[in-house]
Amino acid sequence: GQQLNQSPQSMFIQEGEDVSMNCTSSSIFNTWLWYKQDPGEGPVLLIALYKAGELTSNGRLTAQFGITRKDSFLNISASIPSDVGIYFCAGQLEESNDMRFGAGTRLTVKP
Amino acid sequence: DAGVTQSPTHLIKTRGQQVTLRCSPKSGHDTVSWYQQALGQGPQFIFQYYEEEERQRGNFPDRFSGHQFPNYSSELNVNALLLGDSALYLCASSLDTLIFLGNTEAFFGQGTRLTVV
Repeated sequence: GQQLNQSPQSMFIQEGEDVSMNCTSSSIFNTWLWYKQDPGEGPVLLIALYKAGELTSNGRLTAQFGITRKDSFLNISASIPSDVGIYFCAGQLEESNDMRFGAGTRLTVKP
Repeated sequence: DAGVTQSPTHLIKTRGQQVTLRCSPKSGHDTVSWYQQALGQGPQFIFQYYEEEERQRGNFPDRFSGHQFPNYSSELNVNALLLGDSALYLCASSLDTLIFLGNTEAFFGQGTRLTVV
């Protein structure tokens, strides 16, 4: 199927460091969304992207919709302990409008 | 303003049994999507309901069925449960008019943790 490859799988960083994660696919997407999920909770939307090349910020978070429409990245600047969690990319496939999720990036921030 | 609410939060069922999970969408939302999230994986799309009909479906067998009520709430039913059906089941709600305009933002509930033994 049309898979989203999200990397890295996990990251261990020091508080204050910047973080970058990305999702790639061989398929074209109309939309990219980035979610954060805490243990025992549902995913919470962080950033939504709708146009190729779009760069959007939400506080310390910045995400971009790749020009080829097959990838997206999320950056977190100056990480803090509450950034800990699992980050998921999600994209709406152009060919079917299905929403696909990546496998997630588990972020650990050491104080 | 209540967000998406799901019930129950946890459930244990025996292989072969049937289960019904419930979801109330965020106030003002009319579209409900269901996802299955296995441990350590991202959510997988099961199906989406709008106007009380299944509008889209992912790659799940017919054992998975759903329903949407006039008040937009929804149920997910799974028959003949298998051990592999153990997962977190997430409901997400959105507004169809926004979807039509290309806005696919969805709000998730906290999920129902289903364990099949």
